[in-house]
Amino acid sequence: ETGVTQSPTHLIKTRGQQVTLRCSSQSGHNTVSWYQQALGQGPQFIFQYYREEENGRGNFPPRFSGLQFPNYSSELNVNALELDDSALYLCASSLFRGAQETQYFGPGTRLLVL
Amino acid sequence: DQQVKQNSPSLSVQEGRISILNCDYTNSMFDYFLWYKKYPAEGPTFLISISSIKDKNEDGRFTVFLNKSAKHLSLHIVPSQPGDSAVYFCTGKSTFGDGTTLTVKP
Repeated sequence: ETGVTQSPTHLIKTRGQQVTLRCSSQSGHNTVSWYQQALGQGPQFIFQYYREEENGRGNFPPRFSGLQFPNYSSELNVNALELDDSALYLCASSLFRGAQETQYFGPGTRLLVL
Repeated sequence: DQQVKQNSPSLSVQEGRISILNCDYTNSMFDYFLWYKKYPAEGPTFLISISSIKDKNEDGRFTVFLNKSAKHLSLHIVPSQPGDSAVYFCTGKSTFGDGTTLTVKP
């Protein structure tokens, strides 16, 4: 059974640029969630995808967007990068979309915006 | 408004003793809570959960207590081991607290 993987592991961008982060779900999981974790804080929910449809969104602006593919892998896109976007981005997959579902997290992508 | 709060950023205990990590929440709609553990350079991993219809859930050395009237959870680790040293997050409905860093000293 393959766990959740994310790529790249680290990334450096400059303000105003665009970035795409990728996530492969755990085998058999059809739901993926993205989180942003700033230094010293807990993960903040960005959005969730269930069977290729957005299934909930946190308090993030529209320049944060996502996709889920038929194989349930996912992308997080961030446009017009700002310095405050520097953070660890975590992807988590689960079998169902319910609030009671245990999520399995990838190791994260660390993004630095200069 | 932070709906899940972990007011102790850090906790240090001696190996073999009890670790108690606390969590408060404000949203009465939360009906299920999970605790995750995070080691450096890894994603959070699930530890234990509790439904709001229960007041206690136990799994080996880990026990979670829920006091709905006080909107308070606590995670007890007995006995604590050096390998338990990590950041612990309390969550309700994809809302995470800021975590408590537990250090267990040999």
